[in-house]
Amino acid sequence: KAGVTQTPRYLIKTRGQQVTLSCSPISGHRSVSWYQQTPGQGLQFLFEYFSETQRNKGNFPGRFSGRQFSNSRSEMNVSTLELGDSALYLCASSLVRAGYYEQYFGPGTRLTVT
Amino acid sequence: AQTVTQSQPEMSVQEAETVTLSCTYDTSENNYYLFWYKQPPSRQMILVIRQEAYKQQNATENRFSVNFQKAAKSFSLKISDSQLGDTAMYFCAFMKHGSFGNEKLTFGTGTRLTIIP
Repeated sequence: KAGVTQTPRYLIKTRGQQVTLSCSPISGHRSVSWYQQTPGQGLQFLFEYFSETQRNKGNFPGRFSGRQFSNSRSEMNVSTLELGDSALYLCASSLVRAGYYEQYFGPGTRLTVT
Repeated sequence: AQTVTQSQPEMSVQEAETVTLSCTYDTSENNYYLFWYKQPPSRQMILVIRQEAYKQQNATENRFSVNFQKAAKSFSLKISDSQLGDTAMYFCAFMKHGSFGNEKLTFGTGTRLTIIP
């Protein structure tokens, strides 16, 4: 079974631009979460989608948004990029069964804002 | 809100030795999951081991085992017979259990583990 895939793997953008990152979960997983990883703030939760609905949102400004499609693939968008948005963005897909839970991560997208 | 604390920013150990990474957490929840993730230099986050809070038995996965002390809110990871491939950043993570829409991990700051040949 294929793992979580994220595209692109690397991205360089300029301040003020916007960017869209994509995540394809493991087949059969309906929940997709996004995290931002930076040296200063560590790993922070952005948001989580299940069946095309955002169920949970972290403490990030409205410039960060996301969506999920009917095939469970998810995208996150960052508008009006700032230098501080430079980070590794990790996507994770989740499998939930009775009394059992696991969350698997993709390889991440490294975003550099100049 | 939950917090996860990893008090050892860096550790190193000789190959084949045993090492224990510490993690404490703070929560008012009774039902939750705890995880250890490994992030090697490739940056891929890999699930190492998982523990359900309602289970008293400590989880084990091959050379990896945990010491889960619920009352003390402690969740340490023991790596036996350490290998060079264990060199990575290790993150302890917490997640609430049971309520719809709670698939949110709260991470500690990580412990950088180096295995010395």
